[in-house]
Amino acid sequence: ETGVTQSPTHLIKTRGQQVTLRCSSQSGHNTVSWYQQALGQGPQFIFQYYREEENGRGNFPPRFSGLQFPNYSSELNVNALELDDSALYLCASSLYWGNEQFFGPGTRLTVL
Amino acid sequence: QQQVKQSPQSLIVQKGGISIINCAYENTAFDYFPWYQQFPGKGPALLIAIRPDVSEKKEGRFTISFNKSAKQFSLHIMDSQPGDSATYFCAAGSITQGGSEKLVFGKGTKLTVNP
Repeated sequence: ETGVTQSPTHLIKTRGQQVTLRCSSQSGHNTVSWYQQALGQGPQFIFQYYREEENGRGNFPPRFSGLQFPNYSSELNVNALELDDSALYLCASSLYWGNEQFFGPGTRLTVL
Repeated sequence: QQQVKQSPQSLIVQKGGISIINCAYENTAFDYFPWYQQFPGKGPALLIAIRPDVSEKKEGRFTISFNKSAKQFSLHIMDSQPGDSATYFCAAGSITQGGSEKLVFGKGTKLTVNP
C-alpha cells in the first residue's frame, strides 16, 4: 500500500509569484484535503476535493485554488504569493464519508 | 477564533511516566476527535481517534478520554518513552457540506520524554 506523497519537498518563491503543489493520494482513497501549517501552529483546513469537485472550504481567499484529477491526485495552486503564505502545506487523503485522514510529508514553501 | 484549545504548550516527563494532554472545543457540531503525532520535518501521523458516543478508547499505551458534557477530551500516554518525543495535535472534525470530515486542529503540545 502506497502512502500519501507530495512534491516538491521544498520550494522558494518571491512575493507576487504563483506556485503549484502536488499530492498523490494513498492507494484506494478518493478524497483529498489540503492544510496550511504555519511554524509552531496546528494545520489549518484550506479545502477538500471529492470526485474532482471542491467539497468544503476553510477561511482562505480565492487565490488559493485546487484541482483533483480522475486518479484522485490533486494540486494546490496559490496566486499572488504573500510573505504570510510561507508555511508547510499538507495534503491528506481519505475515503469519503468521514473516515480517517492520512497526511503526506508536506511541502515547505518559503516566500521571500 | 480558536475552536479547539490545547494545553499544555510543552510537556516534559521522565521515561516510564504518564503524559497527559488536554483539549477543549466549543462547537457542538464536532463529531470526530483524532490525535496526531508529528516529528520534525514530517507530516502528522494519526495516533488514535474517538467519536462522541464513547467516553474512552485505548490503543496500546495511548488512551483518549472524552467528556461530552464538558466538551473536553484528553490523550494519555502510559509508560512514556524517549521515542514518544514529538509534537502532538488534537483535532475536531465536522462534516462538510459535501459529507466528508473537515478537521480543526489545536496549536500542539511539544512532548519531551527524558531518558
